[in-house]
Amino acid sequence: GAVVSQHPSRVICKSGTSVKIECRSLDFQATTMFWYRQFPKQSLMLMATSNEGSKATYEQGVEKDKFLINHASLTLSTLTVTSAHPEDSSFYICSARESGYSNQPQHFGDGTRLSIL
Amino acid sequence: QKEVEQNSGPLSVPEGAIASLNCTYSDRVSQSFFWYRQYSGKSPELIMSIYSNGDKEDGRFTAQLNKASQYVSLLIRDSQPSDSATYLCAVNIPGYSTLTFGKGTMLLVSP
Repeated sequence: GAVVSQHPSRVICKSGTSVKIECRSLDFQATTMFWYRQFPKQSLMLMATSNEGSKATYEQGVEKDKFLINHASLTLSTLTVTSAHPEDSSFYICSARESGYSNQPQHFGDGTRLSIL
Repeated sequence: QKEVEQNSGPLSVPEGAIASLNCTYSDRVSQSFFWYRQYSGKSPELIMSIYSNGDKEDGRFTAQLNKASQYVSLLIRDSQPSDSATYLCAVNIPGYSTLTFGKGTMLLVSP
C-alpha cells in the first residue's frame, strides 16, 4: 500500500518551455502533498506544500509564479515549471501523507529528472 | 527552530559488518521517527518507522529511539554492498505538516 506515482520520470526540453509534473496517490487520499527539488549530491529541499482545494504554501525563496502548483483532488497534485531555463534543471520529487494520520510517514514518488537545454 | 542532525559521512564498513547510523533532533515534542534510504539518482524509500522508546527490528534493520536523549539510530546487520546509499532520518513534529529531514548519512559497504 501507500504508493505514490509521479510522471513523467524524465523530461528534456528547450529553454522557455513549460513542463507539468503529475503526482498521484494511488491507494490513499492525500489532503496534503509536498514538492521537493534535489540538485546533484545535495540534500532534499522542500519547495512547497500542496493543499487540496486551496493555495499551495511556498518555502522562502521559491517563486510561486515560476512553480505553479494545483491540487484539485485528494489524489492528484501537479507542479508546472513555467518558462523553464537551464538553472531549473534538477530532480523534482513529490511526496504524500495519508489524510488524517499526522503520525504517518511521507511516501515519495519516483521523481522527475528535468533537463532544460 | 526544528533541527534534525546527521553526520554526512561517508560511513565506510566492510561487507558483513554492522553499520550504525545516528540522528539527533532538537524538538522534544517530536512524536514519530522515520528512516529513509536514497540510492544515488533515485527518490527516498521508507525503510523503518519508530514511535516509542526502545528497539524495533525488521529483518536486518533495527531502529532505536531514546526520547530522553533526543536520539534515534538505525543499525544494519550483515551489511551488503547493496546497502550503499544515503540514509535520511525524518522526524514528525506536531503542528508541522511536513516531516523534518536530516541531510542524510552516506553509507559505503565495501565487498
